[in-house]
Amino acid sequence: AQKVTQAQTEISVVEKEDVTLDCVYETRDTTYYLFWYKQPPSGELVFLIRRNSFDEQNEISGRYSWNFQKSTSSFNFTITASQVVDSAVYFCALTETGANNLFFGTGTRLTVIP
Amino acid sequence: DTGVSQNPRHKITKRGQNVTFRCDPISEHNRLYWYRQTLGQGPEFLTYFQNEAQLEKSRLLSDRFSAERPKGSFSTLEIQRTEQGDSAMYLCASSQSEQGSNEQFFGPGTRLTVL
Repeated sequence: AQKVTQAQTEISVVEKEDVTLDCVYETRDTTYYLFWYKQPPSGELVFLIRRNSFDEQNEISGRYSWNFQKSTSSFNFTITASQVVDSAVYFCALTETGANNLFFGTGTRLTVIP
Repeated sequence: DTGVSQNPRHKITKRGQNVTFRCDPISEHNRLYWYRQTLGQGPEFLTYFQNEAQLEKSRLLSDRFSAERPKGSFSTLEIQRTEQGDSAMYLCASSQSEQGSNEQFFGPGTRLTVL
């Protein structure tokens, strides 16, 4: 059975602070894919990143970075120098080999205070 | 704009009425998904199409729910005899290629309120 846990329900930071959003997953598959999506107040889910289970290399995209560690089944997301526009709900998601759907965590609501 | 579009954006209905939502995916995407999202939760998978074929349905999709994608382009999701528990955001997503692992692109959703 698959499971995605985002233990942080809500986080508030002051603008320009760094913030890390945690994601822990469970799967019996050896091949799987992990995703992060952003859901701003407008409601539309915005794709941020996809990672396959064989690629543990960390990735950086501008102010965003992702730390994938299979040993701890975690796929954490860090925003550096946060901005007010980063305020949103962030979802971590998992899909297993042969599956046709994304399995989402419950999300973390990030509020960046100016 | 060539993103996923959904109509209507909001729907308020009385319990027992039927409602239908429409989703227009990104034109070159052959896969189309429906999800439901309730307050404070992540999206939950309902069903998916590959071209016009509905290939998977979640246990969440009760008999009152039906989805179609008649020509492999747009899709409709109908809920018959709505119940208050059907109140949620209904999200549509699409993706390209044969791999379920490809990223899905989501529309803005239809927010349903059942009174």
